[in-house]
Amino acid sequence: EADIYQTPRYLVIGTGKKITLECSQTMGHDKMYWYQQDPGMELHLIHYSYGVNSTEKGDLSSESTVSRIRTEHFPLTLESARPSHTSQYLCASSGGRVQFFGPGTRLTVL
Amino acid sequence: ELKVEQNPLFLSMQEGKNYTIYCNYSTTSDRLYWYRQDPGKSLESLFVLLSNGAVKQEGRLMASLDTKARLSTLHITAAVHDLSATYFCAVGMEYGNKLVFGAGTILRVKS
Repeated sequence: EADIYQTPRYLVIGTGKKITLECSQTMGHDKMYWYQQDPGMELHLIHYSYGVNSTEKGDLSSESTVSRIRTEHFPLTLESARPSHTSQYLCASSGGRVQFFGPGTRLTVL
Repeated sequence: ELKVEQNPLFLSMQEGKNYTIYCNYSTTSDRLYWYRQDPGKSLESLFVLLSNGAVKQEGRLMASLDTKARLSTLHITAAVHDLSATYFCAVGMEYGNKLVFGAGTILRVKS
């Protein structure tokens, strides 16, 4: 089982603030992913990375940005949070065929 | 564009009963995954199905894959309350390692 960590687990923040959601994995996986999931709904891929300095946008358009400077770290940033960004954000990593998921960050923008 | 459909979206069943969740997908893929999600929690990998006719079983859950029909099933045998969760199927895209998820099936097992 992969060890993959996300912080914070819960975040309530006001409109216009800049936020960074952290994701780290200790398995040395090359591939990492960010998904957005509204309550009771399916997951949508918003960003992915196949290695250091490689990032791509996913299938769901998102105003967030990501970076991959180190293999183990894949942070997601929102420059100016809005209520429409309220959602759960799940990070995943993969060293083979299976993606392992972190615990998620539940973001609420007031 | 790969689309993944699950049904039913909500399933309420009595303990001890059997039922099947279906996952259809629209384009060719050789990888099908089943995940479980408990309320407010992350996703837990249940099964990885990599070839036509693949069948995997873990406890009261059995998953199968028919790549020709583009169909996977998750069969629940003699349900127990602890199986209550949301079950997602996900299909691997032909290129790369991206997944497309179904909408999820909310399973409630009543005692």
